[in-house]
Amino acid sequence: AQSVTQLDSHVSVSEGTPVLLRCNYSSSYSPSLFWYVQHPNKGLQLLLKYTSAATLVKGINGFEAEFKKSETSFHLTKPSAHMSDAAEYFCVAPNYGGSQGNLIFGKGTKLSVKP
Amino acid sequence: DAGVIQSPRHEVTEMGQEVTLRCKPISGHDYLFWYRQTMMRGLELLIYFNNNVPIDDSGMPEDRFSAKMPNASFSTLKIQPSEPRDSAVYFCASSLRGPVLNEQFFGPGTRLTVL
Repeated sequence: AQSVTQLDSHVSVSEGTPVLLRCNYSSSYSPSLFWYVQHPNKGLQLLLKYTSAATLVKGINGFEAEFKKSETSFHLTKPSAHMSDAAEYFCVAPNYGGSQGNLIFGKGTKLSVKP
Repeated sequence: DAGVIQSPRHEVTEMGQEVTLRCKPISGHDYLFWYRQTMMRGLELLIYFNNNVPIDDSGMPEDRFSAKMPNASFSTLKIQPSEPRDSAVYFCASSLRGPVLNEQFFGPGTRLTVL
């Protein structure tokens, strides 16, 4: 069965320092993978998606993620954190074993940014 | 485009009462999803529709929950009777095609409190 594991439930960084949010997946198929962001009291918004075209994917707000098949990882990075990046981030994969509409959400990583 | 619209944004009700949550997807989107988010269980898919037809309702917790999509621009999620453990944020999302490669657009959510 497919699974998505976000390795940290909470990450805290200082403004201006790099961000690393970790995600590992397991899948029998070449996956599509997504990162979504949820700001407080808001719905989820797509940050970026990987669909086999390129292993390094650039998203909105300066975020990017690299798909590494050998490590089954899809970590999210940003060179320099901004206060507005404080939010919860979800790594997401389609559930190929389930119905076509089903997505597997990681448990989320809450990012705090200190001034 | 106004995005996915949900109403009400907040709902407070007493145990045993009927609750109806409403969603208007983005025009032209073929898929509509209902999710529930709690601290304990994270984000869970309840049900999704394709072209107004329910495809997978395996996430609906029990018979007290029902969802309908009478036309392409409107869906409801009903809880009858409501219980305190139903307290959560309920999100509606829509996508242009299936979620394997396509972004889901989330509404702002309905925060339900059952006393």
